[in-house]
Amino acid sequence: GAGVSQTPSNKVTEKGKYVELRCDPISGHTALYWYRQSLGQGPEFLIYFQGTGAADDSGLPNDRFFAVRPEGSVSTLKIQRTERGDSAVYLCASGTSSYNEQFFGPGTRLTVL
Amino acid sequence: GESVGLHLPTLSVQEGDNSIINCAYSNSASDYFIWYKQESGKGPQFIIDIRSNMDKRQGQRVTVLLNKTVKHLSLQIAATQPGDSAVYFCAENLGVVGSNYKLTFGKGTLLTVNP
Repeated sequence: GAGVSQTPSNKVTEKGKYVELRCDPISGHTALYWYRQSLGQGPEFLIYFQGTGAADDSGLPNDRFFAVRPEGSVSTLKIQRTERGDSAVYLCASGTSSYNEQFFGPGTRLTVL
Repeated sequence: GESVGLHLPTLSVQEGDNSIINCAYSNSASDYFIWYKQESGKGPQFIIDIRSNMDKRQGQRVTVLLNKTVKHLSLQIAATQPGDSAVYFCAENLGVVGSNYKLTFGKGTLLTVNP
């Protein structure tokens, strides 16, 4: 079956611009996660959704970052006034509510010039 | 703060050899541990997991060992193949058993398999 998909695969933007990154989880998965991975590092947790609500957003670095999941399926990570330090690969993962295994998408590579 | 870390950042082995990748964790309350494999340009791929009430778990060509006394985790890959070349991450989960919670990843070990 289809795995987690993310679009775009690459995004290049200028400092100060607004970007949206999209995640399509595996069908039926109620849990959805966003992580950020900097070069040479492991993924870092950003936010966790259970259904439509953000159950844990403690990993969002500041208020320029926001994520939504209005219908409990597709999620969008939004970054306002992008900074060069936001450049990273943004990973999305989904899972069922009964198991801990998280299935990751291929990520979106964001480059802020 | 508490974190998951790795002893070896790189590991190079010959095809057919066994590989051992190590990981140290510092939070004794960690409940669940996972090994992920990440190939270039791809997201992390689940390999094997283990819960804190176990000390060993085996999969296909892989074995994870958990030593809670010294807070150490290892991944053993038998008969390593070129396709095993990737970065390997250990991750810990602080959530309640049976629930989905955020993962805390270590930095990763780059495994290179020489033919």
